[in-house]
Amino acid sequence: RKEVEQDPGPFNVPEGATVAFNCTYSNSASQSFFWYRQDCRKEPKLLMSVYSSGNEDGRFTAQLNRASQYISLLIRDSKLSDSATYLCVVNGKEWNSGGSNYKLTFGKGTLLTVNP
Amino acid sequence: DTEVTQTPKHLVMGMTNKKSLKCEQHMGHRAMYWYKQKAKKPPELMFVYSYEKLSINESVPSRFSPECPNSSLLNLHLHALQPEDSALYLCASSHTPQTTGDNYGYTFGSGTRLTVV
Repeated sequence: RKEVEQDPGPFNVPEGATVAFNCTYSNSASQSFFWYRQDCRKEPKLLMSVYSSGNEDGRFTAQLNRASQYISLLIRDSKLSDSATYLCVVNGKEWNSGGSNYKLTFGKGTLLTVNP
Repeated sequence: DTEVTQTPKHLVMGMTNKKSLKCEQHMGHRAMYWYKQKAKKPPELMFVYSYEKLSINESVPSRFSPECPNSSLLNLHLHALQPEDSALYLCASSHTPQTTGDNYGYTFGSGTRLTVV
C-alpha cells in the first residue's frame, strides 16, 4: 500500500472554478501534514500546514480527518497562477533498527492546470 | 533570511568526475536534508542530518557522500556517478527533525539540476 496517496489527476479547470484535492496516508503515527505546491522545474514550496480543526488561508482551505487518515485541499475561485503540481506531504514517525525518526513522505502530486 | 541557497544551479559532469553540491541556510534550522527528484516524480529522501549528525541514510549508494561541516552548511560529494543519477537534487531544512506536532514544514532550496554524461 502506498504511504501517501493522492488523486492521480491531471485536473484541468476554468478560471474561477472550485477544485478539490484528496489525499490518504497509511502511517497512523503521522504527526503533521502539509500541502506543498511545485511549479514546473522549481522546488516545492510550502502552501499550508493542515490542522485537525481545519484551516483556511484566503482561497485555500485544508481539512484533516485523523480517524480516516484523510487530508483535503480546496481551492476556490481558481486563478491562472494556481496552475502547478500540488503535493500532499505527511510527517510521521518511522522505526528501524537504529530507533525512530520523523520523516516527510510525499504523495506523487496532482497536476492542476487553470485555463483562461 | 528565510532561504535555503543551493549551488550550483546546474551541473554537467562525466562519470569519472568528482564534484560537490553545496547548501546553506541561516534560519537557525537544526535539521538538513538531501532529496533527489526525477521528472514527474515526488522528491525522494536521501539523507537527514540532525544537529550536524547523520541520522538517516536511505540506503543511498556510496557514490553519494554527504557532509555537514556546521549547522548552516550541507554538502553532497559526488563521485563516479551514472547517467541514471541525473536528476534535480534538492536541499531542505527544518527547525528540528523530531518535534512532535511540528507544523513548520521544510524549506527547500531551488535545487541543483544534475546531468551525468
